This record gives sequence, C-alpha cells and structure tokens, in this order.
Amino acid sequence: DGGITQSPKYLFRKEGQNVTLSCEQNLNHDAMYWYRQDPGQGLRLIYYSQIVNDFQKGDIAEGYSVSREKKESFPLTVTSAQKNPTAFYLCASSNLAGHNEQFFGPGTRLTVL
Amino acid sequence: GNSVTQMEGPVTLSEEAFLTINCTYTATGYPSLFWYVQYPGEGLQLLLKATKADDKGSNKGFEATYRKETTSFHLEKGSVQVSDSAVYFCAPTGGGNKLTFGTGTQLKVEL
Repeated sequence: DGGITQSPKYLFRKEGQNVTLSCEQNLNHDAMYWYRQDPGQGLRLIYYSQIVNDFQKGDIAEGYSVSREKKESFPLTVTSAQKNPTAFYLCASSNLAGHNEQFFGPGTRLTVL
Repeated sequence: GNSVTQMEGPVTLSEEAFLTINCTYTATGYPSLFWYVQYPGEGLQLLLKATKADDKGSNKGFEATYRKETTSFHLEKGSVQVSDSAVYFCAPTGGGNKLTFGTGTQLKVEL
C-alpha cells in the first residue's frame, strides 16, 4: 500500500532531551512537510522540503531541525531549545506537479515530561 | 500571505440535519481549494477539492463550490450522520507549494 508512515504514534521524553520523529513516504512525492497541531488549533508549518538535500523554514521553525537525505524520508528533530514541545506532529507529502494536494501521515503525539 | 477564516465550532447537529461550514480565504492569484477532515487522534484526510472558479468538489455526500467573486468555499452536506463527527479544515494553496490551514471547525452529530 502506498502512503505515509510516522513512528512512533506516542512518544514521551524528559525535558532537555532531543527527540527525532520519523516520517517515510512511498508515494514518490517530491515535497514533504512537517506541521504542529495544538489542541483546538489549526496546523502550523514547521519545515518543508521540495527536493532532496534542500529544505525551508516554515512559520515556527525555531527549536526544530530537519534533514532530507533521501526522497522518501524527512525526519524531524525536536531540540531542547523548543520551549513548548508537547504537541501532535503531522507529516505530509505532495507531488509538485498538479494542485499541491497534500497527503498526511497518522501523526505522532509527543509529550515532554 | 494567504489566510483562511472558518466558522467557529463546535457545530452540533442532529442526525440527518443539513450542514454548512463557512470558509472564506484571501490569496494571491488563483489558488486550488481543499477541505480536509480529521477524526480524533488521526492525521488529516482529503475530503474534496476544487481547482478553478465555479468548480464543485464532492465526496461522500459533501460538496463545496469554488466562488472566486466572494473568495469562499463553503462545505455542505444534505444529511449528516453520527460518523461525520470530526474536525474539518479549509485550505487554499499558497506560494511555494504550501497550504494555508484554517483553525478547523469541530462538528458533533447526535442521534
């Protein structure tokens, strides 16, 4: 089945630790995105990448880092510099040709204790 | 940049009632427009889309028409079911192959 996978679904970390969230897609999409969702709020863009080895900051990039070494993978690291990391993190991908329809993974809920 | 305004929720309806969720947007150029749905604890699923003015997107009984003159893309369904309870997001495309999401509208359908 083609799709986007995120792992793990739930993640717990102690304050001050870096943590990396996984995102993999087998849709052969060029672009990948990371969003953060807080309770009762919409999605805010953290980082996005349109091509391997290149990525751009979104609206709330501070305290996060990404890499895009392979087309199918776009891991997100939540660093200790992120002041309020507890949130639901969503990864998405899209084909650059066409109408930018994005396909989403199931999400990772990160809780920092 | 782009922006989206959705009606605030929660919207609470009885089963078989008519649904409207309003969405207006500001965008440069001619964006494509999307409605996504999110069930509790899950990611977003594309519900429907429209890519040019006067297009009507439809799926699973939901419809929305791209109204360029009013910059609106209101979501409608003639008869809602309990299983439609979810959060609905309106999203136009923007520059750099990005989407701009509204804050979402929670729909609760009761028996």
